[in-house]
Amino acid sequence: EPEVTQTPSHQVTQMGQEVILRCVPISNHLYFYWYRQILGQKVEFLVSFYNNEISEKSEIFDDQFSVERPDGSNFTLKIRSTKLEDSAMYFCASSPTGASSYNEQFFGPGTRLTVL
Amino acid sequence: AQSVTQLGSHVSVSEGALVLLRCNYSSSVPPYLFWYVQYPNQGLQLLLKYTSAATLVKGINGFEAEFKKSETSFHLTKPSAHMSDAAEYFCAVTPSSGSARQLTFGSGTQLTVLP
Repeated sequence: EPEVTQTPSHQVTQMGQEVILRCVPISNHLYFYWYRQILGQKVEFLVSFYNNEISEKSEIFDDQFSVERPDGSNFTLKIRSTKLEDSAMYFCASSPTGASSYNEQFFGPGTRLTVL
Repeated sequence: AQSVTQLGSHVSVSEGALVLLRCNYSSSVPPYLFWYVQYPNQGLQLLLKYTSAATLVKGINGFEAEFKKSETSFHLTKPSAHMSDAAEYFCAVTPSSGSARQLTFGSGTQLTVLP
């Protein structure tokens, strides 16, 4: 069964460093998302991406964040200068397009980011 | 703006007992609704979804949920809990029309199943 994969599973970085979180969405999906979950809190939407551009973003997704689809399979989230409060589990998701998709999103296992 | 409220951050049931996890939504028009489950150290797995067809929705692992517009609720139930049901459960909502496709999640309910 196709699934969303994410690497690495755990990333530890120093405050101020840049990190890139990687995701491989399901191959025939066209919408891609990043969410995050700070420990003990709810899952929060960061950004959605369609047709090689951002389609929606939350107020969390400020200038420190960027997304890219560098090739036909990967979808990345970059945090330019990490802060302590960026420590969270980051989930990638993808969904197919078309009326039958009902916005159903398939989630990856997550990358736990720890900023020291 | 849409929102979801999950009553009870922790629910404990005995094995074999009824599971009831509560979810209420706020939306100007009936949205699409989802229940996701998260097992320890794993991602979010879709349990079931409501997309304006049948109001009683059956999902995986014996779970079901009923959409009640008058109560703006979408509670998750399972007749008989199993030890393997212990996990965190998230209710989520997304607009049923328009281009917005983001999910808005509730704060989650941790289900403990006692032997």
